[in-house]
Amino acid sequence: DAKTTQPTSMDCAEGRAANLPCNHSTISGNEYVYWYRQIHSQGPQYIIHGLKNNETNEMASLIITEDRKSSTLILPHATLRDTAVYYCIVSSPGNQFYFGTGTSLTVIP
Amino acid sequence: GAVVSQHPSWVICKSGTSVKIECRSLDFQATTMFWYRQFPKQSLMLMATSNEGSKATYEQGVEKDKFLINHASLTLSTLTVTSAHPEDSSFYICSATGQVDQPQHFGDGTRLSIL
Repeated sequence: DAKTTQPTSMDCAEGRAANLPCNHSTISGNEYVYWYRQIHSQGPQYIIHGLKNNETNEMASLIITEDRKSSTLILPHATLRDTAVYYCIVSSPGNQFYFGTGTSLTVIP
Repeated sequence: GAVVSQHPSWVICKSGTSVKIECRSLDFQATTMFWYRQFPKQSLMLMATSNEGSKATYEQGVEKDKFLINHASLTLSTLTVTSAHPEDSSFYICSATGQVDQPQHFGDGTRLSIL
């Protein structure tokens, strides 16, 4: 079963930052937080992952709370192409992913 | 890098036939591959985990005799849906991972329609 909870849906104005929260209160010490997104009828696209430190790449930033019980994915300047379902997953490296329901993000012009 | 290719992307078959779906890692060696199924407006559901050279491990409720998985090389895994019926119609997605600290990378999925 999925170990994460996310809001069902969110809206964000184009050009603004999109902040997507994820709760994972039962995360284990060796489990990472992974973020993926899925655009309709495609496979999930990897965005970013982290263990306990904040991470940033060309797509997004990942902020993990000190107790690791929650995290936030930040898309700094949302575009219409960022409209997708975003999944937060916790798992040990190399292990199975159990997807939750994700957050459907709609970027509004 | 880390490209996973899935073939075919779309297939329509008559009820009772068997369908094979291929999943290839194009630029890395995939020690582990995963197969998922996704119904409309639902999330991905893990079906099985496949390690190269070993028998696949199936999730509870997934019929291993119906969904045959072969992972004969470090770059190829196949899922065969045997004696497919309309209720097997779904979006099938594979993912692959190589080194233990590498995240899973997903294929673009195969849409299977059984008439």
